[in-house]
Amino acid sequence: EVVLTQSPGTLSLSSGERATLSCRASQNIGSSYLAWYQQKPGQAPRLLIYHTSSRATGIPDRFSASGSGTDFTLTIARVEPEDFALYYCQQYSYSPRTFGQGTNVE
Amino acid sequence: EVRLVESGGGLVKPGESLRLSCAASGFTFRDAWMSWVRQPPGKGLEWVGNIRSNRDGGTTDYLPPVKDRFTISRDDSNNAVYLQMNSLKTEDTAVYYCVTEYWGSYNFWGQGALVTVSS
Repeated sequence: EVVLTQSPGTLSLSSGERATLSCRASQNIGSSYLAWYQQKPGQAPRLLIYHTSSRATGIPDRFSASGSGTDFTLTIARVEPEDFALYYCQQYSYSPRTFGQGTNVE
Repeated sequence: EVRLVESGGGLVKPGESLRLSCAASGFTFRDAWMSWVRQPPGKGLEWVGNIRSNRDGGTTDYLPPVKDRFTISRDDSNNAVYLQMNSLKTEDTAVYYCVTEYWGSYNFWGQGALVTVSS
């Protein structure tokens, strides 16, 4: 099973600052099979990024992502108040598909 | 508008069974791969399993700890997907989400159904 480790566990920022979230895989998952999700309390997750760097429909361009192999990054260029939430990465290169444990942006 | 509505959650005792249903609308269901993802209270996300479209073989894949206890099926005539859960354990307690797959990622999510396994 591919283990995804997200860091940091908590990211404390102010609105307008840049957020950089990391997701490291326990083995090479290639360059295309990683997604990022945002989850707010009491809500279902929302897809932000698929195929490592493609924004999902309706996702603002302040969200960007990159990476390959074992190291992936989600960047929020300037954090808006509505961006404070939990963020999860997920790999779909191997079965079982796995999620990271999450980064809380507060 | 894509809608996924789960139903069938509830409180059961260890060893009992439960069947979740997911009613889908707003997209071409028969062409969609569907997954179930769960989230224990206060914890992270865990993929449970998926079912391919019948056009792509209709096969299923599962998280190993549930492989011999859970079964995913679909009814394309009623735009529904199901999760049959047998021999439930306390560690199966979670909110279960029905999700659509988009090339392996999950682009639409239901509101979730809470399953509580407790004696």
